[in-house]
Amino acid sequence: DTGVSQDPRHKITKRGQNVTFRCDPISEHNRLYWYRQTLGQGPEFLTYFQNEAQLEKSRLLSDRFSAERPKGSFSTLEIQRTEQGDSAMYLCASSPGVSGANVLTFGAGSRLTVL
Amino acid sequence: AQSVTQLDSHVSVSEGTPVLLRCNYSSSYSPSLFWYVQHPNKGLQLLLKYTSAATLVKGINGFEAEFKKSETSFHLTKPSAHMSDAAEYFCVVSDINAGKSTFGDGTTLTVKP
Repeated sequence: DTGVSQDPRHKITKRGQNVTFRCDPISEHNRLYWYRQTLGQGPEFLTYFQNEAQLEKSRLLSDRFSAERPKGSFSTLEIQRTEQGDSAMYLCASSPGVSGANVLTFGAGSRLTVL
Repeated sequence: AQSVTQLDSHVSVSEGTPVLLRCNYSSSYSPSLFWYVQHPNKGLQLLLKYTSAATLVKGINGFEAEFKKSETSFHLTKPSAHMSDAAEYFCVVSDINAGKSTFGDGTTLTVKP
């Protein structure tokens, strides 16, 4: 297993365009998470899935953001009508989902720049 | 609700001297606590974890942390800093059975030769 993979690694887009990021978790992991990290800040929780079910969404996640995990394997995070404030590193992580040991394995991230 | 406060945004030490990175947490339930490290242009890597077993936890690269419930603290220490320890360190709390993990704002560790 090669760990958590994210694609693309870098995305530059113009304001108002839509972007989509993909995350492939560790295959045996049930939980998949999306976080956002801006310069000088810690990762900020966006949403997470248990298998294909989206169990929690941050109140910070506007309706321009949508995430899916259709078959309980890979996940996509789409941002519609991007704004300059969406510029950040988008991190995906997965975990086995065992209670009491929520150890996250992170991907390298997808860096978004909105011009 | 859960939250984490990292008490120092920057820590600077000389190579070979001890490292102390401070973290206080707030949790409604019995927490799991973690330290992650992020080197420049690299992904987040788990250093160590506390999950209600031994209160003194040993991690990779000589780091350790002590869970103190009475002080709601989980400070990270290392007896002797190495140049390769220079990085950003994040303290993380996760309530048992909770989905999300909450990160602190990070502490930047600088190691001087």
